[in-house]
Amino acid sequence: GAGVSQSPRYKVAKRGQDVALRCDPISGHVSLFWYQQALGQGPEFLTYFQNEAQLDKSGLPSDRFFAERPEGSVSTLKIQRTQQEDSAVYLCASSPQTGTTYGYTFGSGTRLTVV
Amino acid sequence: GDSVTQMEGPVTLSEEAFLTINCTYTATGYPSLFWYVQYPGEGLQLLLKATKADDKGSNKGFEATYRKETTSFHLEKGSVQVSDSAVYFCALPYLYGGSQGNLIFGKGTKLSVKP
Repeated sequence: GAGVSQSPRYKVAKRGQDVALRCDPISGHVSLFWYQQALGQGPEFLTYFQNEAQLDKSGLPSDRFFAERPEGSVSTLKIQRTQQEDSAVYLCASSPQTGTTYGYTFGSGTRLTVV
Repeated sequence: GDSVTQMEGPVTLSEEAFLTINCTYTATGYPSLFWYVQYPGEGLQLLLKATKADDKGSNKGFEATYRKETTSFHLEKGSVQVSDSAVYFCALPYLYGGSQGNLIFGKGTKLSVKP
C-alpha cells in the first residue's frame, strides 16, 4: 500500500481483556518498529523486526506484551490482560532497510483506552 | 545512554512570527538527526533530517543544522502559519544492539499558531 496502515484506529478494552493491534507496513519494507506513546509524551520503543525476525524486544514493558510478524509483512501487537497503564497510542513504523540514514514511515496509530 | 532533550512547550506564536524549537542530544557516535511532526489526530511524519555534522535539513520552510560542537539540532522557521500548529519531535537513532535504527524521541514541543 501507499502508507503504513494500522487497525483498529480506536480500541476501548475492559481491564483484563486481551487486545490485538494490527500493522500493515509498506510493501517490501524490511524493518518494522512498534512504539508506545503516552499522552503528552514522545513515542517510546517497544520492539523491532527485520523481516520475520524479532531482533529486539527490550522495550516491551511486561510479559503481557507480545508481537509477531510471521511472514515478514503484517505485524500484530498483542496485549494480554490489559491494565489501565496500557492506555496509550500504539504506533507502527516501517523502513525499507536497516540502518540510520533512512527515515521511517509511521502509521496513524491505534489509540487504546483501558477502562 | 543516548538521549534527546527538547525545549518545553507549549509554544504559542502569531502568524508570520519566527520559530525556534531547541533540541540537544547526547550520543556516543555521530548519528543522523531527525525532526518529526505530528498533526492533531495523525501519526508522525518526517519533517527533515541531517545525516552528518554541518548538514542542513530543510522542508516546507523549516530548517535545522546539525551542530556537532554544540550537540544541537534546533528547528527554525522564518514565518509560521496557522497550518504549522502541531507537535514537533526531535529524534536520533539508537546505534547499538539488535535494533540499530530504533528512534529515540524527545518529549515533543506543541506549537500553536494564532491568526
